[in-house]
Amino acid sequence: QLVLTQSPSASASLGASVKLTCTLSSGHNNYAIAWHQQQPEKGPRYLMRVNSDGTHDKGDGIPHRFSGSSSGAERYLIISNLRSEDEAEYYCQTWGSGFYVFGPGTKVTVL
Amino acid sequence: QLHLQESGPGLVKPSETLSLTCTVSDDSINNSSYFWGWIRQPPGKGLEWIGSLSHSGTTYSHPSLKSRVTLSVDTSGNQFSLKLSSVTAADTAMYYCAKTFGVVIAWGQGTLVTVSS
Repeated sequence: QLVLTQSPSASASLGASVKLTCTLSSGHNNYAIAWHQQQPEKGPRYLMRVNSDGTHDKGDGIPHRFSGSSSGAERYLIISNLRSEDEAEYYCQTWGSGFYVFGPGTKVTVL
Repeated sequence: QLHLQESGPGLVKPSETLSLTCTVSDDSINNSSYFWGWIRQPPGKGLEWIGSLSHSGTTYSHPSLKSRVTLSVDTSGNQFSLKLSSVTAADTAMYYCAKTFGVVIAWGQGTLVTVSS
């Protein structure tokens, strides 16, 4: 069964970096995922797709501070030089055989 | 730049059918590379995929909702629609339409649908 796992929360100081992890369920190591950001009281925004080889394709207008990488079943979102507006919920998402799956989200707090 | 706009009633009575339409601007729903989908978010909760469809009418739906979901596409109007029947309070949520290329690559702004008598 295709499932995505995320830590419920993460925090880092203003100007620092944070690395979020999305883990694919067993047998799905080669799946690409997407990262989406949802700021408080707003709709989600597509950030990037992260492929199994670590390459990533960002959405229009996404700052260079956001990057992605991959290792085995884990897909990462790295946010550098944290800003206050990066405080948000971050969801990963994938698909397989016509079925779309979202992770439970990671709430990022900027200290 | 692509714009997705949801429209439909914000209040639906229990046991009735929720109907929403997504209008696509500055892109063509006829592009065979993409699917078009619906995702919802109950208040204070995470994102839940409802279903997706192609311009030719191929559809996929979440197994837990499949019996209540109808998806359709209007290529001449560059729109696609969702109908969710027999709604209950548990269907109260923000409903988003989206463009997908495997992953979701664009979102509408969302519309709140409340199920209440």
